[in-house]
Amino acid sequence: AQSVTQLGSHVSVSEGALVLLRCNYSSSVPPYLFWYVQYPNQGLQLLLKYTTGATLVKGINGFEAEFKKSETSFHLTKPSAHMSDAAEYFCAVSDTGGFKTIFGAGTRLFVKA
Amino acid sequence: ETGVTQTPRHLVMGMTNKKSLKCEQHLGHNAMYWYKQSAKKPLELMFVYNFKEQTENNSVPSRFSPECPNSSHLFLHLHTLQPEDSALYLCASSQGVPAEAFFGQGTRLTVV
Repeated sequence: AQSVTQLGSHVSVSEGALVLLRCNYSSSVPPYLFWYVQYPNQGLQLLLKYTTGATLVKGINGFEAEFKKSETSFHLTKPSAHMSDAAEYFCAVSDTGGFKTIFGAGTRLFVKA
Repeated sequence: ETGVTQTPRHLVMGMTNKKSLKCEQHLGHNAMYWYKQSAKKPLELMFVYNFKEQTENNSVPSRFSPECPNSSHLFLHLHTLQPEDSALYLCASSQGVPAEAFFGQGTRLTVV
């Protein structure tokens, strides 16, 4: 069975500081990995995804994530936080065969001025 | 309209009421999903439809009844709900594999 663990339900950074949101996954088959962002009273929006190939994946709004198979991790980073990045972020995994996507519990990012 | 549209955005219902949530996607996708998002809990997959056929029912209580008349429309019929069913219900659609999901804005359901 697949699962996703997001370390830290809340992360707080200062504007301009590095953003690091951690995600570890468990999967018995090569996974597809995703990061989604959710702003208040909105649905989830895809930030980036890893399927195959290059392990460093770039997404929208300056975010990127690196797939590390040996560590079963897919951490999300952004070099410099902006106030508009304050939102909830979800890591997700799906297998290569089907439509079932498993989401982590989410990490709420706070950005301080 | 484009994307995934959910109506209503907010719904308050009594435990004896019957109501329905509606989802419509204008993306030409073949798969549609219902998710439940409760406070402090991971997003829970409820139902998956692929080409109008239900492919996943994640042990959802029978008081939730999905309907998918075509690939563009998905409904969630609700009856005799409990207060713990209060949550944000999200609809999503996808095309092919990997299942990159496109989400609607959700329906905030409150059961009183």
